[in-house]
Amino acid sequence: SAVISQKPSRDICQRGTSLTIQCQVDSQVTMMFWYRQQPGQSLTLIATANQGSEATYESGFVIDKFPISRPNLTFSTLTVSNMSPEDSSIYLCSVAGGGRNTDTQYFGPGTRLTVL
Amino acid sequence: GESVGLHLPTLSVQEGDNSIINCAYSNSASDYFIWYKQESGKGPQFIIDIRSNMDKRQGQRVTVLLNKTVKHLSLQIAATQPGDSAVYFCAEKRAGRRALTFGSGTRLQVQP
Repeated sequence: SAVISQKPSRDICQRGTSLTIQCQVDSQVTMMFWYRQQPGQSLTLIATANQGSEATYESGFVIDKFPISRPNLTFSTLTVSNMSPEDSSIYLCSVAGGGRNTDTQYFGPGTRLTVL
Repeated sequence: GESVGLHLPTLSVQEGDNSIINCAYSNSASDYFIWYKQESGKGPQFIIDIRSNMDKRQGQRVTVLLNKTVKHLSLQIAATQPGDSAVYFCAEKRAGRRALTFGSGTRLQVQP
């Protein structure tokens, strides 16, 4: 499976500020996704990061709040904008399409965000 | 709305026993299912998957069973070990989508 890294691994931020999370994969992948995992909860898809075009957002998530970039097949960023304490979560990058089974998704270690 | 959910939020087993974690799904069009293990402070780790044209798949110490008639998925862990303690999530891929829909998770506690 692909090796996925995320930066930063954790951060504590002040409300009103923005944080950009990076996701790097060690091989080219077709699909990259961003998920949010609120404390003690399951994973919720934020958006699909599309290479060379605008991300596809799920209901309840908008580009102004969570701008996403994907300049190539191995890298993506997620920005959490104008943060509030409700944004405190784990943000997870996942990838698919890099191996024989194009549907299997593998996850990065996550970015643990605390907003004060 | 349609969802993927779990019957038991917490499962406690004795070391060496077999564990069974259950998951119900409601979308009959789902064609691919995955079980993930998430340890504290880590991202979800792929355990095993199964496609909708199968009803059973085995891995190392793990077996996934799929019952499409009642839309039920289970993960069986043989000879459960303390290292198996984690939260387990089922996830489904709905036909026509590339992203996954996750269940609510079951915490597995292994008692020594």
